[in-house]
Amino acid sequence: EPEVTQTPSHQVTQMGQEVILRCVPISNHLYFYWYRQILGQKVEFLVSFYNNEISEKSEIFDDQFSVERPDGSNFTLKIRSTKLEDSAMYFCASRKDRAGEKLFFGSGTQLSVL
Amino acid sequence: AQSVTQLGSHVSVSEGALVLLRCNYSSSVPPYLFWYVQYPNQGLQLLLKYTSAATLVKGINGFEAEFKKSETSFHLTKPSAHMSDAAEYFCAVSDGNAGNMLTFGGGTRLMVKP
Repeated sequence: EPEVTQTPSHQVTQMGQEVILRCVPISNHLYFYWYRQILGQKVEFLVSFYNNEISEKSEIFDDQFSVERPDGSNFTLKIRSTKLEDSAMYFCASRKDRAGEKLFFGSGTQLSVL
Repeated sequence: AQSVTQLGSHVSVSEGALVLLRCNYSSSVPPYLFWYVQYPNQGLQLLLKYTSAATLVKGINGFEAEFKKSETSFHLTKPSAHMSDAAEYFCAVSDGNAGNMLTFGGGTRLMVKP
């Protein structure tokens, strides 16, 4: 089965530093997502991306966050100035095109902000 | 707005016993409903989904779920638990529009005793 791949699997950074989390969605997918899961809490939606622009975003996705699909294969999440509360597992996901179609998740990047 | 409530953050069953994980949803439009499983140190894997076809949905690994509109429920069941079923299970809802996000429940950790 095709996979969404995320790198790195673990990222440790100092508070205030910028981080970029990388994802390679499945090649024929058109919708891309970032979710996060703070330890012991719900999986939360951050942002969805379609046709090279953000289609939806949550309240969590403030000005410190941005997403980009720089080269047609990678899908990145950037946090400009990390805070302690950004520590979480970040999941990338992708989907073909139709509502209700299976959402494929990557195995996540564990971000630790010290 | 949509929401998902999973009753019981932890469920423990004996190997061979029935598994029942409860999920109730709230949605202002006909929902699409999903169950995802998360094994330790892995991403989210789709178990099954309901997208307005048959109300009894069969998924992978012997799991199934029944959509009951009158009860706004989508409980997950498996007739006989296996040790390998021990994981975190998440119920999620979307409103079915292309590109929209999933809203997850808080998750239920299933423990299987030998």
